[in-house]
Amino acid sequence: GQNIDQPTEMTATEGAIVQINCTYQTSGFNGLFWYQQHAGEAPTFLSYNVLDGLEEKGRFSSFLSRSKGYSYLLLKELQMKDSASYLCAVRDSNYQLIWGAGTKLIIKP
Amino acid sequence: GAVVSQHPSWVICKSGTSVKIECRSLDFQATTMFWYRQFPKQSLMLMATSNEGSKATYEQGVEKDKFLINHASLTLSTLTVTSAHPEDSSFYICSARDLGQDHYEQYFGPGTRLTVT
Repeated sequence: GQNIDQPTEMTATEGAIVQINCTYQTSGFNGLFWYQQHAGEAPTFLSYNVLDGLEEKGRFSSFLSRSKGYSYLLLKELQMKDSASYLCAVRDSNYQLIWGAGTKLIIKP
Repeated sequence: GAVVSQHPSWVICKSGTSVKIECRSLDFQATTMFWYRQFPKQSLMLMATSNEGSKATYEQGVEKDKFLINHASLTLSTLTVTSAHPEDSSFYICSARDLGQDHYEQYFGPGTRLTVT
């Protein structure tokens, strides 16, 4: 079966750095997405990785290792507004998005 | 970036009635739209994939006669929850895939919160 694993909840301090991991087992791979979702709102796109390596976009970076079935989202200089759920999603061979359950990130002052 | 709108943003209806939710891609054409449901503190659950001009493909366990999907044009898909019951109360989110983007990113609408009393 297809499976995406990510931690349920993480806590970090304002101004610090946090890394959210995602491991996946899917039938085929056509890219990995990270989305941010604030409570009561729809997800918003953060990043996309299809090749191995690090993609940097401002305070957020995303890393992919296809051979390990592994990705992480790195958030730097954490701000209170970064408190949200972070969803990892993998697009399989049918171009369907397989979603992880999300990681709830709590930022403390 | 691409924008997807949903209407209404929230709706309260009585048990047994039907509710229609609209999803529109505002600045791009979407041959494929997706309908998700999300219960509190749970992840997104794909309900169905909607292709313009053809019947929707429903995920296992989703009743096609209860959740009617129509994808009438390249910019509009509708989800009708028929004979709604309190257990249908949820956050319904649509997304559209922009084929103009290299990585076929999915853009999400703001969601519709349905409460059935």
